[in-house]
Amino acid sequence: ETGVTQTPRHLVMGMTNKKSLKCEQHLGHNAMYWYKQSAKKPLELMFVYSLEERVENNSVPSRFSPECPNSSHLFLHLHTLQPEDSALYLCASSPSSGGTTQYFGPGTRLLVL
Amino acid sequence: GQQLNQSPQSMFIQEGEDVSMNCTSSSIFNTWLWYKQDPGEGPVLLIALYKAGELTSNGRLTAQFGITRKDSFLNISASIPSDVGIYFCAGQPGLGYSTLTFGKGTMLLVSP
Repeated sequence: ETGVTQTPRHLVMGMTNKKSLKCEQHLGHNAMYWYKQSAKKPLELMFVYSLEERVENNSVPSRFSPECPNSSHLFLHLHTLQPEDSALYLCASSPSSGGTTQYFGPGTRLLVL
Repeated sequence: GQQLNQSPQSMFIQEGEDVSMNCTSSSIFNTWLWYKQDPGEGPVLLIALYKAGELTSNGRLTAQFGITRKDSFLNISASIPSDVGIYFCAGQPGLGYSTLTFGKGTMLLVSP
């Protein structure tokens, strides 16, 4: 399998649920990213990891908790989300965290009820 | 923060027509990227530009890195129905922990 994969592709959860999104990259990259994509808005960067260390956190609410156990895997743990958190969550990876091209996964479409 | 102005917001064209879209910024970027996103999928990289004035082609797609480093355009020649999707520009200001700034996208619809 090649590229960046994300599971699940679709997720419906209640505001009291806890769920996790998973991302895996098979490109040998050292940096991974979480983005939020909402309708009619530019992609919003949430988190950046470089060699499993978090290097950027763009003021994301604590109800989103990232985890990067190794350079190939990235998780986004979700708890007590709000309906406005419904969006497409995209994972991306790049060879390094600075000045290089990012490659995206297919995304997880999240609906919070 | 930095913002990219991408235009047009949407386009509806006939198959076979050429298409042009562009992105402008108030600040300088060192890298320009163009992505295409199909419904229900993540953005796929089309073209990457790393030098001011650079003109790069990928099949029917051509993109240029503006001389001022504050703009870029993407042209699609002889459009076909599978060109339908949302096209995003993205800019990267420099090295280090530089993150991408994305435009809002151009939605392209192609009529057979």
